[in-house]
Amino acid sequence: DTAVSQTPKYLVTQMGNDKSIKCEQNLGHDTMYWYKQDSKKFLKIMFSYNNKELIINETVPNRFSPKSPDKAHLNLHINSLELGDSAVYFCASSQGVGTFNSPLHFGNGTRLTVT
Amino acid sequence: ILNVEQSPQSLHVQEGDSTNFTCSFPSSNFYALHWYRWETAKSPEALFVMTLNGDEKKKGQISATLNTKEGYSYLYIKGSQPEDSATYLCAPRRDNYGQNFVFGPGTRLSVLP
Repeated sequence: DTAVSQTPKYLVTQMGNDKSIKCEQNLGHDTMYWYKQDSKKFLKIMFSYNNKELIINETVPNRFSPKSPDKAHLNLHINSLELGDSAVYFCASSQGVGTFNSPLHFGNGTRLTVT
Repeated sequence: ILNVEQSPQSLHVQEGDSTNFTCSFPSSNFYALHWYRWETAKSPEALFVMTLNGDEKKKGQISATLNTKEGYSYLYIKGSQPEDSATYLCAPRRDNYGQNFVFGPGTRLSVLP
């Protein structure tokens, strides 16, 4: 009955490769997010998507792209991986539109290591 | 980029001590203020969501207050326990669609037995 699930939990890959991280939520939420835990352990927003609008943090390289096949999924594709992409990536969801008291529900994170 | 500040950056207290930390955020376009608890090697979990100026929320020994006019929120822990050790994050919501959650840098709390 996991609410927000991410796969894989760990991902080790080489520079230059293309990889994807999947995220699914079964909470019926309308908004999903991708966050990156940076080297200082801060959570930085990368994308948010509510099946109508994608908002991109302008600091995110265009090698990163979110793909949403449906409302319950928001996958993260990363092209031409670089060493600096190594981090923990968190997916989250919430009921965004018009419900100001809806908290974010996070997945367990995906630790990406680029060698 | 929204400027959300939290202080102190880290805090070490003894078991049984009470403590508090601050979240500061721009007071314009305010919709809600979230507090999250983030234990090491886990994912953040929601503690409180507050929307109204003067709101006070309580969960066990943890409570929070909100001042939307001046843009700050306090989180209080009464009688800290080692299991309260975590990073506490705040995130103001500043839009109607919930698409702009920017987290503060967090306060890392260590409660020593």
